[in-house]
Amino acid sequence: GNSVTQMEGPVTLSEEAFLTINCTYTATGYPSLFWYVQYPGEGLQLLLKATKADDKGSNKGFEATYRKETTSFHLEKGSVQVSDSAVYFCALRPIQGAQKLVFGQGTRLTINP
Amino acid sequence: NAGVTQTPKFQVLKTGQSMTLQCAQDMNHNSMYWYRQDPGMGLRLIYYSASEGTTDKGEVPNGYNVSRLNKREFSLRLESAAPSQTSVYFCASSQMTDPLGGYTFGSGTRLTVV
Repeated sequence: GNSVTQMEGPVTLSEEAFLTINCTYTATGYPSLFWYVQYPGEGLQLLLKATKADDKGSNKGFEATYRKETTSFHLEKGSVQVSDSAVYFCALRPIQGAQKLVFGQGTRLTINP
Repeated sequence: NAGVTQTPKFQVLKTGQSMTLQCAQDMNHNSMYWYRQDPGMGLRLIYYSASEGTTDKGEVPNGYNVSRLNKREFSLRLESAAPSQTSVYFCASSQMTDPLGGYTFGSGTRLTVV
């Protein structure tokens, strides 16, 4: 079946540190891959996506590359800010079948000034 | 550009009371979903509607019912609320004919059952 595994949190970093949040997936075929962000008290917002192998999604300084050979979609940012504190969800959407999003468990990120 | 609108934003119920959570989207999406999010952060699918006129169970449907009223609206009903249903509920929508697209989420309903 389809599944997404994220690195466990919480993750705490200092401002301007480099961020990596690991995400690996199991799926049939070539799903679309997504990162969502949830700020405190809000719903999930789409952060970035990639729809085929070697695609790089990017937004707000965050990047993730669709790696078919390692079935991974790790989220990175070169210099984090306090405002990046949130919960981050990795997700996949199968191309076939019901096409429902499959979410990882989420990683809580806290950035200290 | 409202996107997905959920009402109410907050609700406190007594055990055994009933209520309906409302969700409406203005993006002409085919598919709509209801999730719950409990402490520990994960999202669990309660029910979904792939298209107008159809509904299907997700991972945790017990204690809930849904109605896809029309293409825009998808409501979630708790017939007899229990403390275990204390959670944050999110509605989402997507375009079924765009498998490369993601979901658009509402801002959530925070429900407490006492």
